[in-house]
Amino acid sequence: EPEVTQTPSHQVTQMGQEVILRCVPISNHLYFYWYRQILGQKVEFLVSFYNNEISEKSEIFDDQFSVERPDGSNFTLKIRSTKLEDSAMYFCATKDGGSSYNEQFFGPGTRLTVL
Amino acid sequence: DQQVKQNSPSLSVQEGRISILNCDYTNSMFDYFLWYKKYPAEGPTFLISISSIKDKNEDGRFTVFLNKSAKHLSLHIVPSQPGDSAVYFCAASGGSARQLTFGSGTQLTVLP
Repeated sequence: EPEVTQTPSHQVTQMGQEVILRCVPISNHLYFYWYRQILGQKVEFLVSFYNNEISEKSEIFDDQFSVERPDGSNFTLKIRSTKLEDSAMYFCATKDGGSSYNEQFFGPGTRLTVL
Repeated sequence: DQQVKQNSPSLSVQEGRISILNCDYTNSMFDYFLWYKKYPAEGPTFLISISSIKDKNEDGRFTVFLNKSAKHLSLHIVPSQPGDSAVYFCAASGGSARQLTFGSGTQLTVLP
């Protein structure tokens, strides 16, 4: 069964460093999302991406965040200058747009630890 | 932001009995409601969803009920199995990108 994959599974970085989190969506899916879950808190929406551009973003998704599909397959989330409060699980999710259930399929997540 | 709320952080049920997980929402513009199951160190796994124009959707052991007037939905699992033990998240779809707004989750434990 097709699945969303994410790399790395765990990323440790120093405060102020740049990190890139990678996602490989399910091949025929057209809508891509990033969510995060800070330990002990809810899963929160960050950004959605469709047709090679951001379609919506939350207030969390400020100028230090960016997304792109550099090669038409991978979908990346970049954090330019990490802060301690960026430590969280980051989930990529994708959707094919044609489903009657409107479900999004989630990857296993990347645990980001900022020291 | 409390647009989607799951007021029970945990629920324990005997194997074979019914599990009922509840969720409340405040935003009338949500168009779909979804339930996800999550194990530790894994991403959420989609279980079942319901359109805002329906009041019930069933898939095998899982049934979701939607009461729009009360802004309440519930997930019924019958019969419950030990493998169902996980955190269950209620989510609602809305916005131009139909992004998901999640509840805080309910830890379900099914006792053998």
